[in-house]
Amino acid sequence: GAVVSQHPSWVICKSGTSVKIECRSLDFQATTMFWYRQFPKKSLMLMATSNEGSKATYEQGVEKDKFLINHASLTLSTLTVTSAHPEDSSFYICSALLNTEAFFGQGTRLTVV
Amino acid sequence: DAKTTQPTSMDCAEGRAANLPCNHSTISGNEYVYWYRQIHSQGPQYIIHGLKNNETNEMASLIITEDRKSSTLILPHATLRDTAVYYCIATRSGSARQLTFGSGTQLTVLP
Repeated sequence: GAVVSQHPSWVICKSGTSVKIECRSLDFQATTMFWYRQFPKKSLMLMATSNEGSKATYEQGVEKDKFLINHASLTLSTLTVTSAHPEDSSFYICSALLNTEAFFGQGTRLTVV
Repeated sequence: DAKTTQPTSMDCAEGRAANLPCNHSTISGNEYVYWYRQIHSQGPQYIIHGLKNNETNEMASLIITEDRKSSTLILPHATLRDTAVYYCIATRSGSARQLTFGSGTQLTVLP
């Protein structure tokens, strides 16, 4: 099946710094990718839809200036958490569309201290 | 996406079949039933999907009732590695596949 890779798998950063998470489709091109966030013992919540070559579409309540999404190529979308705070600590997961099916990355554990 | 209802948790003995139910009584005619699972601290993994016919693949079988208001995911011979949260999602198989995840069922396979 299709492979989606996220990097890094985990990251610890200081409060106030920015962190970039990469999502790559390794063996296919994806014009659409999705970013999810998952807090402990909770389900995945969609944050935004990332479209190659255009602006991302954010879900209600997600701050677009805090969670910057760039989808500059057909195989790479990045999520930058700007001025991270401890409450941003979470598990961030991306998915990429191949035809009409979604394939997920392995997730990135962000801890802000 | 139609609302789905799943039990919060289930246990299953290793080697036995695990039957995970899902209710989707408001599913519309063009919505498929998808199953994903999430092993702890990993991204979701696709298992199987179907519209109205029963489906089987190397991982599992999906049984959908004739009225399509409920379905059952069957793992025929559960192993310890099948311990995960299983999500049942009813959605159109369309071009924009942002999935709405519910609470899922925590399946624990016991030795």
